[in-house]
Amino acid sequence: SYELTQPPSVSVSPGQTASIACSGDNLGEKYVCWYQKKVGQSPVLIIYQYNKRPSGIPERFSGSNSGNTATLTISGAQALDEADYYCQAWHRSAAVFGGGTKLTVL
Amino acid sequence: QVQLVQSAAEVKKPGASVKVSCQASGYTLTGYYIQWVRLAPGQGPEWIGWINTNSGGINYAEKFQGRVTMTRDKSTSTAYMDLSGLTSDDTAVYYCARGAAMAVLVTQGPFDYWGQGTLVTVSS
Repeated sequence: SYELTQPPSVSVSPGQTASIACSGDNLGEKYVCWYQKKVGQSPVLIIYQYNKRPSGIPERFSGSNSGNTATLTISGAQALDEADYYCQAWHRSAAVFGGGTKLTVL
Repeated sequence: QVQLVQSAAEVKKPGASVKVSCQASGYTLTGYYIQWVRLAPGQGPEWIGWINTNSGGINYAEKFQGRVTMTRDKSTSTAYMDLSGLTSDDTAVYYCARGAAMAVLVTQGPFDYWGQGTLVTVSS
């Protein structure tokens, strides 16, 4: 079965840039989405189709995808960005999610 | 505005079934797929499957085939997910999410709006 691998945790200082990687076989050939989930809330779509942001998502969130790795970049991280982040792609008509990365801003 | 409102939390005994509902508003249910995803404590999201809300066509994750049934009621703009043969491993928050528009491939659509989640607890 297809798997997406993410680091369990990433830490960043306020105002700095955080990068969260998501790896999978030939991931660069697939559309990748990123979701943010805060405690007690539902997931929120923040990046889709490589690097598109839904309305209302700040410009500091961006995505890239090449080879076997997709990356979510948060430029100028803020305390309110502290959350779990999940990547997602489609493989043979099945949606696959990464295990998630907990972003700590401190 | 687009909203997906799910049914309340459920507590079930092992071997039982649960049916979770997801009522859409702010858009036409039949214009988009509905996806179902669950999130268990300490784990990443797990995709359960999708339903074509227009035709009723379905695609279930291999892991859930034989145990899950997805349906929709166009008259009430509501989608349903029925999961049978529950075990403690099925304890999770279950989410519906809006998927791709019918005009595009389902595999090209993000999950752009999510319900509030339904906690299903399986315990004897």
